[in-house]
Amino acid sequence: GEDVEQSLFLSVREGDSSVINCTYTDSSSTYLYWYKQEPGAGLQLLTYIFSNMDMKQDQRLTVLLNKKDKHLSLRIADTQTGDSAIYFCAGSSEQKVTFGTGTKLQVIP
Amino acid sequence: DTEVTQTPKHLVMGMTNKKSLKCEQHMGHRAMYWYKQKAKKPPELMFVYSYEKLSINESVPSRFSPECPNSSLLNLHLHALQPEDSALYLCASSQGTAGEQYFGPGTRLTVT
Repeated sequence: GEDVEQSLFLSVREGDSSVINCTYTDSSSTYLYWYKQEPGAGLQLLTYIFSNMDMKQDQRLTVLLNKKDKHLSLRIADTQTGDSAIYFCAGSSEQKVTFGTGTKLQVIP
Repeated sequence: DTEVTQTPKHLVMGMTNKKSLKCEQHMGHRAMYWYKQKAKKPPELMFVYSYEKLSINESVPSRFSPECPNSSLLNLHLHALQPEDSALYLCASSQGTAGEQYFGPGTRLTVT
């Protein structure tokens, strides 16, 4: 099965940019996703990128995909306190979505 | 409407109880999923339904029994659970089985 790894924790100051990184092993993933989970809540789909794309921008969010290095990143511009949450990257292949280990983003006011 | 609803929000049950979790979506999605999530861990896939038929069972113990009565509803029947089954149970749906999944808020289950 696929392994998807993320760093456990990231702390940034309000107004700065956050970059959350993800590495994966299965290059056959059709889509790669970023989900946000606030405490006690379900997962909110933030954005996704098709595997033949290198970059996708959606308002404050920028997703970069490096297929050669199997590396996915999510950049959040002008990070706000409301962005504090756990962020999961995920890849889909053959009906299954495999989630990364999750990165807890702490935004310091 | 990109909403997936789940009931109940919280459930406490004894090891001899029988209970059911419910999930509903009205987005016309043809794939629905059950996930289990333990604290500080990513969701783990349990079951996938595609066009109301069970297509994936990730070797889940038989004390968890899924049911898809129609294309909008997904149930998870629980019987004789163990304390280690306590977790957040998440339902999700997607247009097909390869596209983005939309999650419900989850049911927080505690087995005593």
